[in-house]
Amino acid sequence: DAKTTQPPSMDCAEGRAANLPCNHSTISGNEYVYWYRQIHSQGPQYIIHGLKNNETNEMASLIITEDRKSSTLILPHATLRDTAVYYCIVRAIYNQGGKLIFGQGTELSVKP
Amino acid sequence: EPEVTQTPSHQVTQMGQEVILRCVPISNHLYFYWYRQILGQKVEFLVSFYNNEISEKSEIFDDQFSVERPDGSNFTLKIRSTKLEDSAMYFCASAVVGWTINVNSYNEQFFGPGTRLTVL
Repeated sequence: DAKTTQPPSMDCAEGRAANLPCNHSTISGNEYVYWYRQIHSQGPQYIIHGLKNNETNEMASLIITEDRKSSTLILPHATLRDTAVYYCIVRAIYNQGGKLIFGQGTELSVKP
Repeated sequence: EPEVTQTPSHQVTQMGQEVILRCVPISNHLYFYWYRQILGQKVEFLVSFYNNEISEKSEIFDDQFSVERPDGSNFTLKIRSTKLEDSAMYFCASAVVGWTINVNSYNEQFFGPGTRLTVL
């Protein structure tokens, strides 16, 4: 699975959009991009995933660049409860039942 | 909404003792996992389990560790002889793996709240 790079921390004002970047320049054509988050000491929580098209669900939007070398997770109206560590993970299509490899992630602080 | 549950929430044990951490995965899930997170460090994969056998394990998962699905609902992690460095949060996860009609896979892992293991 390809390696990902994320900024260690970011701040966001409550009610504003939080845009969390991730670089995955060595991603291959058969790898998905996943986003999980971990709210203080809780179990990680799945947010969204995508292959090459942009995706949206009730939690967030995922924008993947055309060359697939980077992506951005967008929380459209961040709340204080969105304060968490956000992990961008790349995973092969054929490894769908396999492990998740967590990096250090981005610590997002949403401030009032 | 269905969720993964874990017991106990906190376990304190003496070094050298055996501990069993318990998990109840989501009922229609077929893939099961254990991860751990030492305080202040990243989440690390330990083991995955499918079709009643281990599918993958990490270097951390040595012969002091074992997993079992004894009754079709529980999924347990046993540490035979605990060490100080086993102190960590242990997370269980489960997943159902499949493909939607438009060939988009779905296999998100659902994590439990964790068991905090403290080895003294």
